[in-house]
Amino acid sequence: EAAVTQSPRSKVAVTGGKVTLSCHQTNNHDYMYWYRQDTGHGLRLIHYSYVADSTEKGDIPDGYKASRPSQENFSLILELASLSQTAVYFCASKPGLGHSQNTLYFGAGTRLSVL
Amino acid sequence: AQSVTQPDARVTVSEGASLQLRCKYSYSATPYLFWYVQYPRQGLQLLLKYYSGDPVVQGVNSFEAEFSKSNSSFHLQKASVHWSDSAVYFCALSINTGGLSGKLTFGEGTQVTVIS
Repeated sequence: EAAVTQSPRSKVAVTGGKVTLSCHQTNNHDYMYWYRQDTGHGLRLIHYSYVADSTEKGDIPDGYKASRPSQENFSLILELASLSQTAVYFCASKPGLGHSQNTLYFGAGTRLSVL
Repeated sequence: AQSVTQPDARVTVSEGASLQLRCKYSYSATPYLFWYVQYPRQGLQLLLKYYSGDPVVQGVNSFEAEFSKSNSSFHLQKASVHWSDSAVYFCALSINTGGLSGKLTFGEGTQVTVIS
């Protein structure tokens, strides 16, 4: 069973402050993703990565940076947190792009409140 | 661009009754299709997935889904629900264009409440 661990599980941040959300996976997956979930909405892709030391923009990257220092770790960085970034953030990973590799494995989520 | 629509934001069903959750997708070819479930304060877990072959797909916990190319749909069903099936259910798709994203595009989710 793929294991994806997010930290912290919840965080309260102040407007304008810096926030770092961390994600660690132990299953040797190449692909990692950061999604954002807002109440009443589905998940939207912020950033993703398919190899260490490289990240790509997703559908809603504005206001976020990502870092993939190793295959196992993928961080999401909010340099200047804003009220609109209050949401639940999910990290996910998967092995690759093939037919048998297409299942995403999710972490438990980080609930971020920006005040 | 591809999209997924779940027309029912909330569904309430009695324990032991059947359940159907609707999902419509928009994409010119056949995508990978998924149903995920999210229990309270947890991450998403895969229920089932489809790419080709038999249009009826069996998943975990007695869920099944039926793909219809003509209707661009991938509806989820369960014959008899249990209180533990109360959760949010997401339909999602992924396309295989040879690109590097491999991302999933999610619907808005359907909140299912099972009552006794």
